[in-house]
Amino acid sequence: AQKVTQAQTEISVVEKEDVTLDCVYETRDTTYYLFWYKQPPSGELVFLIRRNSFDEQNEISGRYSWNFQKSTSSFNFTITASQVVDSAVYFCALSERRDDKIIFGKGTRLHILP
Amino acid sequence: DAEITQSPRHKITETGRQVTLACHQTWNHNNMFWYRQDLGHGLRLIHYSYGVQDTNKGEVSDGYSVSRSNTEDLPLTLESAASSQTSVYFCASSESRGQGKAFFGQGTRLTVV
Repeated sequence: AQKVTQAQTEISVVEKEDVTLDCVYETRDTTYYLFWYKQPPSGELVFLIRRNSFDEQNEISGRYSWNFQKSTSSFNFTITASQVVDSAVYFCALSERRDDKIIFGKGTRLHILP
Repeated sequence: DAEITQSPRHKITETGRQVTLACHQTWNHNNMFWYRQDLGHGLRLIHYSYGVQDTNKGEVSDGYSVSRSNTEDLPLTLESAASSQTSVYFCASSESRGQGKAFFGQGTRLTVV
């Protein structure tokens, strides 16, 4: 069965520090998709990135970067030079091609302190 | 622009009442999902649908039901509301076969008193 583990429940860092959010997943499917979502204090869920299992290239988007490693079943998310606006709950999620269910981790609450 | 909307945004109901939360999407997506969000549990899947007349149970489906009579709508019904169902509910839709990201509604905060 598919499973997503975000071991870090809550993280606090001082503004401008780099921070990495960990995500470990389990799946029996060979084709799957990984996602990160952000939930700011306003409550909506904001899509950040989607990765398929055949694409292990790391991705960078501005201050955000993602490290996908199939060998360790991890899809970690790094924010460089964090800002107060990055304070939010971040969710990692997994979808298997065979059934399309999207399963979420429990989320990591990130506090960026000014 | 295409969107996914939930209604109501907030609701207070009494224990034992039947409650229906609406979800409407204009993305023309086949897949639709209902989640509940609770502190310490993240987002948990309640029910999902791959298309009209198709419904499936998620990990926390007890006490909930859904029906899919058209592509756009997936209403979630709490047959007899319980205090344990106090939560924030999110509806989502996505393209088939995991090709796309899931689009989420803004959530419905339900309080059962």
